[in-house]
Amino acid sequence: GQQVMQIPQYQHVQEGEDFTTYCNSSTTLSNIQWYKQRPGGHPVFLIQLVKSGEVKKQKRLTFQFGEAKKNSSLHITATQTTDVGTYFCAGNSGNTGKLIFGQGTTLQVKP
Amino acid sequence: NAGVMQNPRHLVRRRGQEARLRCSPMKGHSHVYWYRQLPEEGLKFMVYLQKENIIDESGMPKERFSAEFPKEGPSILRIQQVVRGDSAAYFCASSPGSPLHFGNGTRLTVT
Repeated sequence: GQQVMQIPQYQHVQEGEDFTTYCNSSTTLSNIQWYKQRPGGHPVFLIQLVKSGEVKKQKRLTFQFGEAKKNSSLHITATQTTDVGTYFCAGNSGNTGKLIFGQGTTLQVKP
Repeated sequence: NAGVMQNPRHLVRRRGQEARLRCSPMKGHSHVYWYRQLPEEGLKFMVYLQKENIIDESGMPKERFSAEFPKEGPSILRIQQVVRGDSAAYFCASSPGSPLHFGNGTRLTVT
């Protein structure tokens, strides 16, 4: 079945450093979505990418969708302590609407 | 517009008991998803429902687990004869199609 993999699993950075998480799917995706989950909280939708090669920005966050629509990345510039949490990518390749999540990348930011 | 409401927030059950988890989707959302999250792990898809229909239950264990989304009332995830391995956070999400809006989750502890 469809698999979505994320690396790294954990990342510790100093405040002000950049951070990137990578997402790879075993199948071509119709779209990719990114969610953030704070410790003890629930996942919150960040963004959706639909087009091949699409790049979207939200302040310090940059999201990319690969040309083959099988991979994606999230890059955070100049991390802040408020960026702490687990970032999940999620995608679906079928018509059922089922969204498969990656394992997530947990970001720790040292002040 | 109230968000996705899940109750209870915390549920403790002894082995062999039944657990019933409830989810009221956001107003106007006809799609409901259930995900399970183990500590330090990602979100595992369980089931996708629309009103009175199970669309995709490929992530549901074959035994003891069932889900419904009746015409009236909340969606229910039911776990019969719980075992310690069922201890996890169970998240419900609703959507009008995309993206997903998650509830705060039910944290099930089996003693």
